[in-house]
Amino acid sequence: AQSVTQLDSHVSVSEGTPVLLRCNYSSSYSPSLFWYVQHPNKGLQLLLKYTSAATLVKGINGFEAEFKKSETSFHLTKPSAQMSDAAEYFCVVVHSSASKIIFGSGTRLSIRP
Amino acid sequence: DGGITQSPKYLFRKEGQNVTLSCEQNLNHDAMYWYRQDPGQGLRLIYYSQIVNDFQKGDIAEGYSVSREKKESFPLTVTSAQKNPTAFYLCASSITSAYNEQFFGPGTRLTVL
Repeated sequence: AQSVTQLDSHVSVSEGTPVLLRCNYSSSYSPSLFWYVQHPNKGLQLLLKYTSAATLVKGINGFEAEFKKSETSFHLTKPSAQMSDAAEYFCVVVHSSASKIIFGSGTRLSIRP
Repeated sequence: DGGITQSPKYLFRKEGQNVTLSCEQNLNHDAMYWYRQDPGQGLRLIYYSQIVNDFQKGDIAEGYSVSREKKESFPLTVTSAQKNPTAFYLCASSITSAYNEQFFGPGTRLTVL
């Protein structure tokens, strides 16, 4: 069975400090993993994706994530937070079938000036 | 401009009424999806369609119906059988169902009065 757990429902950091949003997954197969960002009352935008190539994945807006199979983790990081990063972030695990798309419950990122 | 449009942005419905949410894409994508988002939760898949004139139930299809008569259109009807329809509804598309990156519309917020 597949599942995805975002370990923090809310993360607050100061502007200019590092961001870490944690995601653990469970999958019986080699999954594809994604991070999406959602600003208030908007649709989701893809940040980055892992599809069994390089384990360190770079995305848009300075975000990156590392796939660690031994830890079943796919944590999202950014070296220096910006005010515009304040949003909801979703970790998603996907099997090859369209019916096997599992969204995490989301992590709300707040940025303090 | 290529993308996905959803209309209306806000929708109000009286109890017992059916209502249809529009989703249109001009990305020439084969696959389209409908999700429901509730506060503090991730997205849950309602229906998806891999090709014209074909669609499958997702995790929470009860009380919803869809059609896929045209490649670019995938309307969702929320029927009176849906007991708790107040939510944010997101439509998405992907090149094929096997190509996992999804592109999202801006969403429709449905409120039942």
